[in-house]
Amino acid sequence: KAGVTQTPRYLIKTRGQQVTLSCSPISGHRSVSWYQQTPGQGLQFLFEYFSETQRNKGNFPGRFSGRQFSNSRSEMNVSTLELGDSALYLCASSLGGDRGYTFGSGTRLTVV
Amino acid sequence: GQQLNQSPQSMFIQEGEDVSMNCTSSSIFNTWLWYKQDPGEGPVLLIALYKAGELTSNGRLTAQFGTTRKDSFLNISASIPSDVGIYFCAGPSGGNYGGSQGNLIFGKGTKLSVKP
Repeated sequence: KAGVTQTPRYLIKTRGQQVTLSCSPISGHRSVSWYQQTPGQGLQFLFEYFSETQRNKGNFPGRFSGRQFSNSRSEMNVSTLELGDSALYLCASSLGGDRGYTFGSGTRLTVV
Repeated sequence: GQQLNQSPQSMFIQEGEDVSMNCTSSSIFNTWLWYKQDPGEGPVLLIALYKAGELTSNGRLTAQFGTTRKDSFLNISASIPSDVGIYFCAGPSGGNYGGSQGNLIFGKGTKLSVKP
C-alpha cells in the first residue's frame, strides 16, 4: 500500500515568487492536512481538507492557500515568498475521525 | 492557546539503556499521539492513546495516557542505535477529534542521540 507522496522533495525559490506543492494521500484517505516545520516554531498546522472542503485553517497569512481535488489529492500554494517561508512542508492523510494521521516525507522549500 | 511541553528537550542514550520522556499540557486532551521523526523524513506514528490511564505498547515502546488527561509518557526499553531521532507528542486541537479534526498540536520534541 503506497504511503503519502509529496512532490517535489526539494525546491529552491526566490523571494517574491510563488510555489505549489503537491500531496497524494493514501488510497481511501479523504482527510488531508498540511503542516509547516521549522527549527524555531516546530510543527505548525496550516490547513485541513476533507472531501474537497477546507475544514480547518491554522494561523498563517492569506499567502498560504490550498485545495483538494475529487480524488483527494491536495495542493498547497504560497504566494509572494518570503525568506521565513523556508521550511519543511508536511502533508498528512487520514481515514478521518481518531484514526491518526500518516505523514509524507515532506517538501523542503528554501527561499533565497 | 494550547501548548504541549515535552521534556527532556534532548538526551543521550547508550545501547541497552531504558529511556523515558514525557509531555504535559495545561489543558485536557482526550487523545495523545506519539510520533518519531528521522532526519529528512516525516513523523511516523508510534502509539495512539484514547483513554485516560491507558497503557499501550508497540514492541519496546510503551506509552501511557495520564489519569489527569493533561500528560502522557513514552518509555523505550533496551534502546538500540536506530532509536535515535526526534520524538514528538501530539494531540488534536480542542482536545478531542470531535472538536477540530485534523488540526494536531505538536510538542517541540525530544531529541535522542547516541552517547559519544
